[in-house]
Amino acid sequence: GQNIDQPTEMTATEGAIVQINCTYQTSGFNGLFWYQQHAGEAPTFLSYNVLDGLEEKGRFSSFLSRSKGYSYLLLKELQMKDSASYLCAVMDSNYQLIWGAGTKLIIKP
Amino acid sequence: GAVVSQHPSRVICKSGTSVKIECRSLDFQATTMFWYRQFPKQSLMLMATSNEGSKATYEQGVEKDKFLINHASLTLSTLTVTSAHPEDSSFYICSARVPESNYGYTFGSGTRLTVV
Repeated sequence: GQNIDQPTEMTATEGAIVQINCTYQTSGFNGLFWYQQHAGEAPTFLSYNVLDGLEEKGRFSSFLSRSKGYSYLLLKELQMKDSASYLCAVMDSNYQLIWGAGTKLIIKP
Repeated sequence: GAVVSQHPSRVICKSGTSVKIECRSLDFQATTMFWYRQFPKQSLMLMATSNEGSKATYEQGVEKDKFLINHASLTLSTLTVTSAHPEDSSFYICSARVPESNYGYTFGSGTRLTVV
């Protein structure tokens, strides 16, 4: 079966750095997405990785290792507005998105 | 950027009635629209995939006669929840693949449906 695993909840301090991990087992691989979702709102796109390595975009970076079926989202200089759920999603061989359950990130002052 | 407009954002309806949710792609043509349902503290669950001009493809366990999907044009897809029950109360979100882009999928703003 297809499976995406990520921690249910994480807590971090304002101004600090946090890494949210995602492991996956899917039927094929056509890229991995990270989305941010605030409570009661639709997800918004953060990053897309299809090749191994680190993609940096401002305070957010995303890493992919296809051989390990592993990705992480790195958030630097945390701000209170970063409190949200972070969803990992993998596009399988049928170009269908398989979603993780999301990681709720709580930022404390 | 590519935008999908979803309406209504919130709706409360009585049991047994029907509710229609609309998703419009504003600045691109969405040949395919994905409809998701999300229960509290759970991930997005794909309900169905609608293709312009053809029948929608429903995921296993989703009743096609209860969740009617119409994708009559390249910019409009609708989901109608028929004979709604309280257990249909959920957050419904549509999504479309952004063509010629690595930005993946753009989402509508979601519809919070409450059936009383």
